[in-house]
Amino acid sequence: GENVEQHPSTLSVQEGDSAVIKCTYSDSASNYFPWYKQELGKRPQLIIDIRSNVGEKKDQRIAVTLNKTAKHFSLHITETQPEDSAVYFCAATSLGDSTLTFGKGTMLLVSP
Amino acid sequence: GAVVSQHPSRVICKSGTSVKIECRSLDFQATTMFWYRQFPKKSLMLMATSNEGSKATYEQGVEKDKFLINHASLTLSTLTVTSAHPEDSSFYICSAGTSGFQETQYFGPGTRLLVL
Repeated sequence: GENVEQHPSTLSVQEGDSAVIKCTYSDSASNYFPWYKQELGKRPQLIIDIRSNVGEKKDQRIAVTLNKTAKHFSLHITETQPEDSAVYFCAATSLGDSTLTFGKGTMLLVSP
Repeated sequence: GAVVSQHPSRVICKSGTSVKIECRSLDFQATTMFWYRQFPKKSLMLMATSNEGSKATYEQGVEKDKFLINHASLTLSTLTVTSAHPEDSSFYICSAGTSGFQETQYFGPGTRLLVL
């Protein structure tokens, strides 16, 4: 089955800095990669996703890049703000399988 | 769009009792719903996948007789924790996908279960 590794487990940045979270996956058949943000005690919320037919996708301060050859994808947050502080999960799903395999999460702390 | 509700949000029960958690897709039909369990500061652990009108598919290590899942309609799935014990205390989250084999999952707000 699919295995998703996520790094780092914790990330502290100053407000205004950029943050990068990286994930690798094992199944070359995976072709859908969502990122979720989960605030303490709340539900995971989809913030951006990417499919394997594109290499990069951007939505305002958030971008995701995908390297199919290396089987890794990354979340980039620019101009971080304290409200970006949360746990971020990457996930991957294999072709023909709707179940998501999640990474272990990255706790992002943005200090004012 | 793509709103998923979950009820109750919190429940405290005595050991040995059963607890039912409902997951509803409010503005779309969910052919597939997923049930996750999340421990503090941990990732989401998939328990089972339920498809409307058929039996749920349980992940390895998840007892199907303990965690009963019913997906009777395209907007409702239920998880019943039977004969709950303190070790079943956890945060249970459902998610729903829309259609197709590659689905974006939308999560419910979760249910915090405490078994005394």
